[in-house]
Amino acid sequence: GAVVSQHPSRVICKSGTSVKIECRSLDFQATTMFWYRQFPKQSLMLMATSNEGSKATYEQGVEKDKFLINHASLTLSTLTVTSAHPEDSSFYICSATGIYEQYFGPGTRLTVT
Amino acid sequence: GIQVEQSPPDLILQEGANSTLRCNFSDSVNNLQWFHQNPWGQLINLFYIPSGTKQNGRLSATTVATERYSLLYISSSQTTDSGVYFCAVGVGSQGNLIFGKGTKLSVKP
Repeated sequence: GAVVSQHPSRVICKSGTSVKIECRSLDFQATTMFWYRQFPKQSLMLMATSNEGSKATYEQGVEKDKFLINHASLTLSTLTVTSAHPEDSSFYICSATGIYEQYFGPGTRLTVT
Repeated sequence: GIQVEQSPPDLILQEGANSTLRCNFSDSVNNLQWFHQNPWGQLINLFYIPSGTKQNGRLSATTVATERYSLLYISSSQTTDSGVYFCAVGVGSQGNLIFGKGTKLSVKP
C-alpha cells in the first residue's frame, strides 16, 4: 500500500516558539493532503485540506494564521504551528489520498511547555 | 453535517472470541474506511468499503450503503487486535474523511 511519512515523530517546544511538521507521500503523488488533530482519548478532527499549488482550506474554528500550511510539491505538505501555546499540545496526523482511499502518516506528538 | 456513530464504545474480549463493530452514518457517502489505531498512534488501513463485503484474513467488513451502516467482524481475536477501531466516511469531492469516535477493543489473554 501507499506510504505516508511524517517528521518529526515527537517534538517538545517552549511556549511562543514555532514548530514545523512535514508530511510526505513516499511512493505516490498527492495533489491533496489533509491535516488532522487528535486529543487524548478522542477521535480525529480535520483541521485543513492542503492543496498543491494553492491555498489551504481550513475547517471552521481553525485559525489559518496560527496553523500555516504549505503544499509546495506533489509529495510534500508542511504544517507550521506558530507561537505555540500549551493548548496546542496534541497529536497531529496527516493523510494523502491514493487511487481510492486515504493513507495516514504515523503522526507527530507535539508538547508545548 | 454528516454524523458517524460507532458502537460499542468499549469492548473487552477473551482471546479467541469473535466480535462485531458497527458504524452508522446519517447521509449518503462516497467513501468508507475502517482503521485500526495502534498504541503508537499509527492508523492502519483495514478496509476501503463504500459498499459490499470484503474479507482479509480474520477480518471482514460489510457496508449496506442503502441502510447507512457498516460492520467490521473480527474472528478468533488475538491480543494484538487490541486498540481503537475507527470508521471514517467521505462525502465531498475533496476526499476528506469524517471520523466516528471509535471502538476501544481490549483482548485479554
